[in-house]
Amino acid sequence: DVLMTQSPLSLPVTLGQPASISCRSNESLVHHDGRTYLNWFHQRPGQSPRRLIYKVSNRDSGIPDRFSGSGSGTDFTLKISGVEAEDLGIYYCMQGTHWPTTFGQGTKVEIK
Amino acid sequence: QVHLVQSGTEVKKPGASVKISCKASGYTFPNYGIHWVRQAPGQRLEWMGWINGGDGGTKYSPKFHDRITLTTDTSASTAYMELNGLRSEDTALYYCQTYDYGDSGGRAFDLWGRGTMVTVSS
Repeated sequence: DVLMTQSPLSLPVTLGQPASISCRSNESLVHHDGRTYLNWFHQRPGQSPRRLIYKVSNRDSGIPDRFSGSGSGTDFTLKISGVEAEDLGIYYCMQGTHWPTTFGQGTKVEIK
Repeated sequence: QVHLVQSGTEVKKPGASVKISCKASGYTFPNYGIHWVRQAPGQRLEWMGWINGGDGGTKYSPKFHDRITLTTDTSASTAYMELNGLRSEDTALYYCQTYDYGDSGGRAFDLWGRGTMVTVSS
């Protein structure tokens, strides 16, 4: 299985300040169809995960533009340009290029 | 509005089986697959398998392939996940999920059920 490694695992933030989460895979996530199936999810306590970003850099409908995704190959980043209170929770990266789908271990974003 | 509504909490003894349902509404069920993902306490999300909502084709994670069965009832727009040979490590919140990337011209979306808690304990 493809191993997805996130860093940091805990990210204390100041509201209004930027934040960045890294996700690395141990194999390239470029599919043979040329697309890269790397997604980002956010999970608030007691809630189901919600997809924020799909295929590296595409924001899902309703996701604020303070969220952005970037990267290629094995190295990916989720950035929040200015953290708001509703952004607290756990963020997961997920690869859908290789079977089986695998997730990162999660990054907990909390108030500093 | 689109929804995935899952069945309720289950408590099972080791060695038993559990069958969870996931009823879809607000979209054309056969057009999309259903994924099953679980989250054990303090653990990362874990993908278990996928079923095609139209023809019932399946793909299972190697970790679960000998214990999991995914089925659908298209007339009821419902997917089912059955897990056999339960052990304490299977205690987790089980989610159904459907999504699309919009590559075929439709809108990209991602939809999750609220999860079904399964506790395995003697």
